[in-house]
Amino acid sequence: QKEVEQNSGPLSVPEGAIASLNCTYSDRGSQSFFWYRQYSGKSPELIMFIYSNGDKEDGRFTAQLNKASQYVSLLIRDSQPSDSATYLCAVIGNFGNEKLTFGTGTRLTIIP
Amino acid sequence: DTEVTQTPKHLVMGMTNKKSLKCEQHMGHRAMYWYKQKAKKPPELMFVYSYEKLSINESVPSRFSPECPNSSLLNLHLHALQPEDSALYLCASSQVEEQFFGPGTRLTVL
Repeated sequence: QKEVEQNSGPLSVPEGAIASLNCTYSDRGSQSFFWYRQYSGKSPELIMFIYSNGDKEDGRFTAQLNKASQYVSLLIRDSQPSDSATYLCAVIGNFGNEKLTFGTGTRLTIIP
Repeated sequence: DTEVTQTPKHLVMGMTNKKSLKCEQHMGHRAMYWYKQKAKKPPELMFVYSYEKLSINESVPSRFSPECPNSSLLNLHLHALQPEDSALYLCASSQVEEQFFGPGTRLTVL
């Protein structure tokens, strides 16, 4: 069983719609959760992090965490073509642990 | 400012060459990281330095040798690499848990 799982996609969403990206993790003790955006040929860019159950909003992005279900998601509202990228979910097991475990990423395409 | 810089941007080397990758951050972050990323794969952790001491080595072959001269600098020395080592090499830094990546060095081994 993979430690962090994501649907590889591609996920195609019309411009202006909501893109929903999902991630599940196997370590029930995981404490910290991150979403990175990576454009082709570029490095990962941290766009959201969440530590507590519930929702965290930042502009058009909302991260949702459900530790009981071991599930974290990223919603992108009013999707723009510039949101087309690979989105990597990453998890840190124990607080203070330095090792990020990445999912394989979901490729998102926003269709104009 | 969350900038991590890496040099060079691109590097082509032969299997007998010795080269070094450089990473720098001026955010006062306590931890610095080296990752390797192959095409269409997530980054793979190689090394972690915390307070200038090596804290994690993910069983990386000895042809990769990290060095942390001070709290702002992280080097990766390369020697006798193989063509399969061609990849994007990413440096990251963190103060708490959020890791910020540099732009990477695209390495090609011939």
